[in-house]
Amino acid sequence: GDSVTQMEGPVTLSEEAFLTINCTYTATGYPSLFWYVQYPGEGLQLLLKATKADDKGSNKGFEATYRKETTSFHLEKGSVQVSDSAVYFCALSSGGFKTIFGAGTRLFVKA
Amino acid sequence: DAMVIQNPRYQVTQFGKPVTLSCSQTLNHNVMYWYQQKSSQAPKLLFHYYDKDFNNEADTPDNFQSRRPNTSFCFLDIRSPGLGDAAMYLCATRRVGTSRSTDTQYFGPGTRLTVL
Repeated sequence: GDSVTQMEGPVTLSEEAFLTINCTYTATGYPSLFWYVQYPGEGLQLLLKATKADDKGSNKGFEATYRKETTSFHLEKGSVQVSDSAVYFCALSSGGFKTIFGAGTRLFVKA
Repeated sequence: DAMVIQNPRYQVTQFGKPVTLSCSQTLNHNVMYWYQQKSSQAPKLLFHYYDKDFNNEADTPDNFQSRRPNTSFCFLDIRSPGLGDAAMYLCATRRVGTSRSTDTQYFGPGTRLTVL
């Protein structure tokens, strides 16, 4: 079945450092890919999405490119802030009703 | 501007005492989901409604039930909460049957359930 694998955390960075959170997927169909962010005590918020190969999703300085050849959707940000501290979930939807989530990666950003 | 609303945000109940969590949406989405999330793990799907059609996940305990009286509202009923049911409960909505560019799941802020 479909699955999402993302790098284990926690990831600890200093403010203004470069962020990469790796995400790879397995899907029988042609999925849409998502990154969600969850701040403490809150629900999941859509951060960005991409629906076809080579699409780049971007929002709030975060980017991820849909790479069909490597089945990846890595999340990047050039300069993180303390306010980016959260848990990040990579997810896919292959049609149908279910969304498959990765295990989540916790990010801590130090001032 | 809130699109998916969950009430209450925090709920405390006693062991075995029924509890109901509510979710409403202003997006007019045809699918509503209930997830259980523990300790910032990946959300675990309990069930979903596609319009009025109810779809239960195979491993969702019978203790969990749901109602969707209309498009906007969906309820999660826990008939006899146990200590293991303490978790964050997330409601989400989605419009299925549109283009891929608009087919996205949106989450509410969650209800934190404590069982004493």
